[in-house]
Amino acid sequence: DSGVTQTPKHLITATGQRVTLRCSPRSGDLSVYWYQQSLDQGLQFLIQYYNGEERAKGNILERFSAQQFPDLHSELNLSSLELGDSALYFCASSVGREVQETQYFGPGTRLLVL
Amino acid sequence: DAKTTQPNSMESNEEEPVHLPCNHSTISGTDYIHWYRQLPSQGPEYVIHGLTSNVNNRMASLAIAEDRKSSTLILHRATLRDAAVYYCILRAIIQGAQKLVFGQGTRLTINP
Repeated sequence: DSGVTQTPKHLITATGQRVTLRCSPRSGDLSVYWYQQSLDQGLQFLIQYYNGEERAKGNILERFSAQQFPDLHSELNLSSLELGDSALYFCASSVGREVQETQYFGPGTRLLVL
Repeated sequence: DAKTTQPNSMESNEEEPVHLPCNHSTISGTDYIHWYRQLPSQGPEYVIHGLTSNVNNRMASLAIAEDRKSSTLILHRATLRDAAVYYCILRAIIQGAQKLVFGQGTRLTINP
């Protein structure tokens, strides 16, 4: 158990809909990272937040957005969903924002868009 | 842009050493090399990281080429529990923002 929690574990929705994925980092961790893992694209970095502020952006689509709240939990919002958005979405956390720091991954949310 | 290249799959036998290669020929001087692994139905977990020198920890060793254009993750005595997908990742801070570059991962099979 990494100490990172993600809800829900599974999500089934339809094209065009909007969903929100939630992540609670390990106690004391200030950074939260979001990743997408699909069969054809592998593991892709989406976005990082540090202490409530966006710190880095990866391959995140404009239809996707995220935020980190004062209690440090984070939400990833996916809108106008397409079939290709079906994937595993992981959240990870680390103590700070240094590149040497270990990231601790949650168990993931499996999203299926029908 | 930096890129990492890994073999799609490798196979080894239990209790034998395993050498997992990663090519990162376009690495920059500030890129750290990280290795994570993903066990079936789980999120990735940290294995090891380094910058220039070889590194050892209780899980594995990381051998970094002198020119840093490649690295090798070494599992000294593989067990069945080491069967996973291993990712080689470059991490750096560019203009204040973190950059992460993932390889496609190597699926490691361990034979009993």
